[in-house]
Amino acid sequence: AQKITQTQPGMFVQEKEAVTLDCTYDTSDPSYGLFWYKQPSSGEMIFLIYQGSYDQQNATEGRYSLNFQKARKSANLVISASQLGDSAMYFCAMREAYNFNKFYFGSGTKLNVKP
Amino acid sequence: NAGVMQNPRHLVRRRGQEARLRCSPMKGHSHVYWYRQLPEEGLKFMVYLQKENIIDESGMPKERFSAEFPKEGPSILRIQQVVRGDSAAYFCASSGSVDTGELFFGEGSRLTVL
Repeated sequence: AQKITQTQPGMFVQEKEAVTLDCTYDTSDPSYGLFWYKQPSSGEMIFLIYQGSYDQQNATEGRYSLNFQKARKSANLVISASQLGDSAMYFCAMREAYNFNKFYFGSGTKLNVKP
Repeated sequence: NAGVMQNPRHLVRRRGQEARLRCSPMKGHSHVYWYRQLPEEGLKFMVYLQKENIIDESGMPKERFSAEFPKEGPSILRIQQVVRGDSAAYFCASSGSVDTGELFFGEGSRLTVL
């Protein structure tokens, strides 16, 4: 089974609107971390936001928030007030406590922000 | 406070040549990871090293690929006798501890095999 599943290969959003990028994960480890990275066309991987499996609150970082639904094993990224500079690939990733040396990445979602 | 440094950023090799990719982790980090990103795909784990030790190389192809992290100097990912299928972006990441926390990624090295 896939560890991380991103079902949206591409998304469009109008500038200044909010957008949700989906991510579901699969693990039997009770302790894990969930991450979102942004990869612009220049290619670098930019860390956006982190959610620990034991965190009670959903993580937020500026315009980014993580909608963490543990029972459903989903960790969707919400970007509020989209900007043109948000156009990029977005990757969801997971790291498990018992297998900490591996990050599992999804296949990514390409977000296009329209003016 | 420099981040993870990778070089070269871009490397072109002909089939059969060797490629060497270097990674200097963030200051104070002793855990180094290499990931490969094929076009239009997410990153795939290759190898995890600590100083002078390979801890997990379960993601490394069995032949032609090797990695090291010597006591002094950067970590090196070496690909011998490159083939076109090796064309990819190779990312190095480092962390200061072993837990479920963030990995800090370098900007990647893009290998093109002609």
